[in-house]
Amino acid sequence: DTAVSQTPKYLVTQMGNDKSIKCEQNLGHDTMYWYKQDSKKFLKIMFSYNNKELIINETVPNRFSPKSPDKAHLNLHINSLELGDSAVYFCASSPQGLAGGYEQYFGPGTRLTVT
Amino acid sequence: DQQVKQNSPSLSVQEGRISILNCDYTNSMFDYFLWYKKYPAEGPTFLISISSIKDKNEDGRFTVFLNKSAKHLSLHIVPSQPGDSAVYFCAAREKGGAQKLVFGQGTRLTINP
Repeated sequence: DTAVSQTPKYLVTQMGNDKSIKCEQNLGHDTMYWYKQDSKKFLKIMFSYNNKELIINETVPNRFSPKSPDKAHLNLHINSLELGDSAVYFCASSPQGLAGGYEQYFGPGTRLTVT
Repeated sequence: DQQVKQNSPSLSVQEGRISILNCDYTNSMFDYFLWYKKYPAEGPTFLISISSIKDKNEDGRFTVFLNKSAKHLSLHIVPSQPGDSAVYFCAAREKGGAQKLVFGQGTRLTINP
């Protein structure tokens, strides 16, 4: 039983295309996150949702749009993909979000390659 | 401007010996620190954490030390085992606001038999 799952695991696409990455957690957590791990290996937060409400929106191009249909899902849609978007994208969730709950549980990652 | 830094990209330790991974931070507003472990093709998994009001936290073979005056924390693993070979990320939580985590760039630990 996977706690935080992401699909697809690998995504290869051409510049200019639009793609989505899906994330689901079955832990009953209220808060979900998207991180990007770039070529320098830094894990940087992009977005966070608490109970379907956006609470963190870092300096991310507006080509990236998160969507949370319910608190168990947080999908990431990317428009007009660019070469620099190539990275590993991790979804995560945590139990309490703003109230505490420091531990975040990560999905296995989606390796996006833009050619 | 990276607020959490792990200056050693890699570390090699003999099985049974102590592994010490280091992390430095610059933001005095961090109030909680965490270590994550990551195997290839998997997401990071939580390992151990420490509040900024403490200077040590221990969990089995893993101990985290926090030196607030030096803005430095370290993870000690003793004894080191082959299964400990992984990338270790240090992370810090900002007090207040959305309480996001800021990660270091990771240290690859290799345990040699």
